[in-house]
Amino acid sequence: GAVVSQHPSRVICKSGTSVKIECRSLDFQATTMFWYRQFPKQSLMLMATSNEGSKATYEQGVEKDKFLINHASLTLSTLTVTSAHPEDSSFYICSARDLDRGNSYEQYFGPGTRLTVT
Amino acid sequence: AQSVTQLDSQVPVFEEAPVELRCNYSSSVSVYLFWYVQYPNQGLQLLLKYLSGSTLVKGINGFEAEFNKSQTSFHLRKPSVHISDTAEYFCAVSGRNSGNTPLVFGKGTRLSVIA
Repeated sequence: GAVVSQHPSRVICKSGTSVKIECRSLDFQATTMFWYRQFPKQSLMLMATSNEGSKATYEQGVEKDKFLINHASLTLSTLTVTSAHPEDSSFYICSARDLDRGNSYEQYFGPGTRLTVT
Repeated sequence: AQSVTQLDSQVPVFEEAPVELRCNYSSSVSVYLFWYVQYPNQGLQLLLKYLSGSTLVKGINGFEAEFNKSQTSFHLRKPSVHISDTAEYFCAVSGRNSGNTPLVFGKGTRLSVIA
């Protein structure tokens, strides 16, 4: 149980276009989802925390107008990179937490999405 | 707030040799501790976790870790590594009863197993 999927796994887009990445909890209800960004050979950098039905909380330095997060249902959160530029190229990973479970400390990670902006 | 320090950014080791990846944490409250592994271009896979009870925790792929509260450490060990263990390893911490705060990760240790 506790499987998280991401779609797409890889995406290449042109500079100036927008890209949407989906994060789904397949067998549980994710009351909270987290979005991370990972640069090559570096650790995960938390971008934002999203709770179902409310606005996301962004970490300092993350542009909320550029990285739009929508957590419209208990099984789906989306990250939209608007007006993408080459410097947005990165590996994006989501994770989900189910506060209704007894083990609310657990974060379940998706497989990641490799974004390349040309 | 919590923080994690992984003391070694890279650890080369010969195949079938033992390995220890070091992790120290800082926290003003009791914690849960985790080790994750990441293979190239993949997400994070949970290796093991410490929640409570026995301080020696066994995980997947023959890995184990020991929680040492007095030294605020949670080092990861394997008695005999394989080529397939080559990957990035992340230590993470979460404060108990910390509400909806995310895991805090260390910077990672790249384990390279040499044939």
